[in-house]
Amino acid sequence: AQSVAQPEDQVNVAEGNPLTVKCTYSVSGNPYLFWYVQYPNRGLQFLLKYITGDNLVKGSYGFEAEFNKSQTSFHLKKPSALVSDSALYFCAVRDDSNYQLIWGAGTKLIIKP
Amino acid sequence: EAQVTQNPRYLITVTGKKLTVTCSQNMNHEYMSWYRQDPGLGLRQIYYSMNVEVTDKGDVPEGYKVSRKEKRNFPLILESPSPNQTSLYFCASSLNRQGTEAFFGQGTRLTVV
Repeated sequence: AQSVAQPEDQVNVAEGNPLTVKCTYSVSGNPYLFWYVQYPNRGLQFLLKYITGDNLVKGSYGFEAEFNKSQTSFHLKKPSALVSDSALYFCAVRDDSNYQLIWGAGTKLIIKP
Repeated sequence: EAQVTQNPRYLITVTGKKLTVTCSQNMNHEYMSWYRQDPGLGLRQIYYSMNVEVTDKGDVPEGYKVSRKEKRNFPLILESPSPNQTSLYFCASSLNRQGTEAFFGQGTRLTVV
């Protein structure tokens, strides 16, 4: 069965420091991996995705994610955090058979000034 | 502008009073789905539709109905709402194609008293 795990409920980072939000996955076929962000009282917004090719994927708002096949991970990263990055982040993988997105539980990112 | 539109954004209702939350997308997407988001539980899929007149149950379909008479619309129906359906609901759409991201509506916060 396909699954996604976000092992941290919350990540705290000081402004200006690098941040990492972790995601690991389990899929039977090719992994199509996504990161979404949810700001308070808003819908989910697409950040970036991995389909194939370069393992380092760049997305919106200066975020990037590194696909690691051997560790089955797709961690979200940013070199220098901003207070405005504080939000809820979701990792997801798309099921080959029916196009459904399998979601992680979400990680709350708090950036402190 | 490409978007998914949900209405209403906020709704307070009483137990047992039928309600419908509308969802419309203007991107000609085949795939549409409904999620509920509850604290600590992440996103859970209620129903999805891979195309017109094709709907399937997600992970938590009990107490909900959907229909897909037109490609652009995917309403969520609660025939007899109960307090445990108090939640934040999201509609999403995407192409029926691997590696394509989903677009989300702004959400509907439903309270059943």
